[in-house]
Amino acid sequence: EVQLVESGGGLGQPGGSLRLSCATSGFTFSWYWMTWVRQIPGKGLEWVATIKEDGSEEYYVDSVKGRFTISRDSAKNSVSLQMNSLRAEDTAVYYCARNQLFFDYWGQGILVTVSS
Amino acid sequence: EIVMTQSPATLSVSPGESATLSCRASQSVSDNVAWYQQKPGQAPRLLIYAASAGATGIPARFSGSGFGTEFTLTISSLQSEDFAIYYCQQYDSWPPITFGQGTRLDIK
Repeated sequence: EVQLVESGGGLGQPGGSLRLSCATSGFTFSWYWMTWVRQIPGKGLEWVATIKEDGSEEYYVDSVKGRFTISRDSAKNSVSLQMNSLRAEDTAVYYCARNQLFFDYWGQGILVTVSS
Repeated sequence: EIVMTQSPATLSVSPGESATLSCRASQSVSDNVAWYQQKPGQAPRLLIYAASAGATGIPARFSGSGFGTEFTLTISSLQSEDFAIYYCQQYDSWPPITFGQGTRLDIK
């Protein structure tokens, strides 16, 4: 059974940092691109970042470029999102998802709140 | 950036009837469109990819169509569990991947 489980969310300070992790199981992690998607509570979905299966390519939405970094650890079958220079508008539920084009499996999501 | 526009924002339909949800792309995306269902407190669930291909385990009452800029998700014989929010998404030209704003399907 494919599973994706996010961790690391919570309260972050404006200008501060948080690191999200997504532990995966039930599939061959090294075969798949991985993606982060976020959703402001009560609003729609926003693609955030994607990383290639071998980690050699990364893509970001303009609003997080230079602040967020996506990475992956093949030994741990996990993908991470390092979020720096946090802003209030980064407040959202963050989902990790499998694949880079359309997303066939999703984690349960984790809430990130940026507030002083 | 390709903008995906969904209509209507809210659709009220009675159980057992059919629902037709629309999605328009600001430029041609070929058939590179996916549809998702999201229920309160849950992650999105992939329903349709490549505009008309059903994802694994999705009931046959969910069908997708369209090409270019106009796309449709049809849900026939609505069940109680189908009342949710539905999103379309394009992956033809990325980054960025973009989603529509969603259509809420309510019980009439």
